[in-house]
Amino acid sequence: DGGITQSPKYLFRKEGQNVTLSCEQNLNHDAMYWYRQDPGQGLRLIYYSQIVNDFQKGDIAEGYSVSREKKESFPLTVTSAQKNPTAFYLCASSPTGGSGQETQYFGPGTRLLVL
Amino acid sequence: GQNIDQPTEMTATEGAIVQINCTYQTSGFNGLFWYQQHAGEAPTFLSYNVLDGLEEKGRFSSFLSRSKGYSYLLLKELQMKDSASYLCAVRDSNYQLIWGAGTKLIIKP
Repeated sequence: DGGITQSPKYLFRKEGQNVTLSCEQNLNHDAMYWYRQDPGQGLRLIYYSQIVNDFQKGDIAEGYSVSREKKESFPLTVTSAQKNPTAFYLCASSPTGGSGQETQYFGPGTRLLVL
Repeated sequence: GQNIDQPTEMTATEGAIVQINCTYQTSGFNGLFWYQQHAGEAPTFLSYNVLDGLEEKGRFSSFLSRSKGYSYLLLKELQMKDSASYLCAVRDSNYQLIWGAGTKLIIKP
């Protein structure tokens, strides 16, 4: 089945630790996105990538890093510089950069908790 | 700044009709989306509007007025499985999606 997978479903981070969230898609989509969702707030864009080996900062990129070495994969690293990382992280993809009726397809999400 | 407003929570009865409103102020407009999100799950696409008017898709309809910066999602013949959050998102002039905080819809028997 085509889709987007994220792992793990739950992730625990200790103080000062970097953690990496996985996102893989087999939809052959060019564009991929990382969002953060907090209670009572809309989704906020962390990073996005429209093509392999290129990515752009979103609205809240500080404390996060990404890579896009393969079309299928867009991992997100939450670094120790992110002081409030507890949130629900959603990865999404779209065929191109988002023109017309093109919608974004979401993975099941990773919930990150700080110990 | 960019802003999208939706009611935080709404309650409706099974079998009834409910309208969820969304108002927006964004830098540019390239379409409005509605997504459904069940608790702890991924958002799933419901509808897309780019021109004024009503788009109907089964039990769900979505309306857009660009001059008023206003949209609504209409859900008919409500079922218990419709209990979820409904997210309004606008694609701005940079083709990025700006998201509302979502409306939690509670369906009562």
